[in-house]
Amino acid sequence: SYELTQPPSVSVSPGQTARITCSADALPKQYAYWYQQKPGQAPVLVIYKDSERPSGIPERFSGSSSGTTVTLTISGVQAEDEADYYCQSADSSGTYAVFGGGTKLTVL
Amino acid sequence: EVQLVESGGGLVQPGRSLRLSCAASGFTFDDYAMHWVRQAPGKGLEWVSGISWNSGSTGYADSVKGRFTISRDNAKNSLYLQMNSLRAEDTALYYCAKDQTYNWNPPEGFDIWGQGTMVTVSS
Repeated sequence: SYELTQPPSVSVSPGQTARITCSADALPKQYAYWYQQKPGQAPVLVIYKDSERPSGIPERFSGSSSGTTVTLTISGVQAEDEADYYCQSADSSGTYAVFGGGTKLTVL
Repeated sequence: EVQLVESGGGLVQPGRSLRLSCAASGFTFDDYAMHWVRQAPGKGLEWVSGISWNSGSTGYADSVKGRFTISRDNAKNSLYLQMNSLRAEDTALYYCAKDQTYNWNPPEGFDIWGQGTMVTVSS
């Protein structure tokens, strides 16, 4: 089965830059999407089509793509950014959607 | 207000069936594909199923294929998930999610989510 690989955890100090990666073979062919999920809440879309930011999402959230890896970057991390982050994409033929295992972002 | 509200979850014995519903409001429901995504307790997100705007195309994760059926009623602004032959591993919070486009494959980002309905499969 197709898988997206994320690091289980990332830690940063407030004001620093957090980078969360997501890797998979089909990422050059399919867009990636990023979601933020805080405890007890539904996920929120923070990046779509690799690097687009939905309205209402702070500018400190950005996305990029290079080959088989996409990256979510949070610049000037704030305490409120502490959450689980999931990447999502599709297999190469677009037959099904898939989520990465999730990355827990800890703000020290 | 744009909103998705799931219902129909509960405790069910292995092998039994359950039907989930999702009521949409605040947007033009029949313009968009819709999906079900689940999250087992303490675990990550898992895509379950998707359906195109006009029900012309559906898709399922391998883990539920042949047991679950997604459907929609655009006249009622509602999405459904019929779950048969339930297993313990189907225990999860089930979210209804709106796609940003009209076809589910490939999905173009889930921009609206409900709060979820809990399904517990246990004897």
